[in-house]
Amino acid sequence: KAGVTQTPRYLIKTRGQQVTLSCSPISGHRSVSWYQQTPGQGLQFLFEYFSETQRNKGNFPGRFSGRQFSNSRSEMNVSTLELGDSALYLCASSLGTGGEETQYFGPGTRLLVL
Amino acid sequence: DAKTTQPPSMDCAEGRAANLPCNHSTISGNEYVYWYRQIHSQGPQYIIHGLKNNETNEMASLIITEDRKSSTLILPHATLRDTAVYYCIVRVLVYGNKLVFGAGTILRVKS
Repeated sequence: KAGVTQTPRYLIKTRGQQVTLSCSPISGHRSVSWYQQTPGQGLQFLFEYFSETQRNKGNFPGRFSGRQFSNSRSEMNVSTLELGDSALYLCASSLGTGGEETQYFGPGTRLLVL
Repeated sequence: DAKTTQPPSMDCAEGRAANLPCNHSTISGNEYVYWYRQIHSQGPQYIIHGLKNNETNEMASLIITEDRKSSTLILPHATLRDTAVYYCIVRVLVYGNKLVFGAGTILRVKS
């Protein structure tokens, strides 16, 4: 089975622009979660989607948004980019949201905001 | 709001067992302990998880104390490729699939 894939792998944007990142979960997985990793804050949860519905949201401003499609693929969008949004954005998928769920991470998209 | 405590770093000789400790004294009865590792700039890799009993898979063993307040991840024969940051996470069920990562333990395997 193919793993979680994320596109693009690298991205350079300038302040004020917006960006869309894509995540394709493992086949059959219906839950997708997004995380941001920075040297200062570590790995932080952004949000989780299951069956096209946002199930949980981390403590990030409204500039960060996401969605999930009927095929479980997910996108996250960051509007009005700031320098501090430079980070590794990670996507993880799991079968569902039950008690004993294992999440599998993709390789990440590295975003640099200039 | 991480519920685990890990040493910031550890060293291990290549070929020897690496034993990584984790304290989770406030764990609830239905919360699982998960271990992930992250090799430089890659996505975290799932290693193993457990609830009460010890667990073993092809990568590692997980030993959970009887009171469940701590656990140890064991890599039986560490190699240089095991150098990574290891995260011990208590999966809080009301959080859904949200994982709360702490700072983890940097494991350096040396030849």
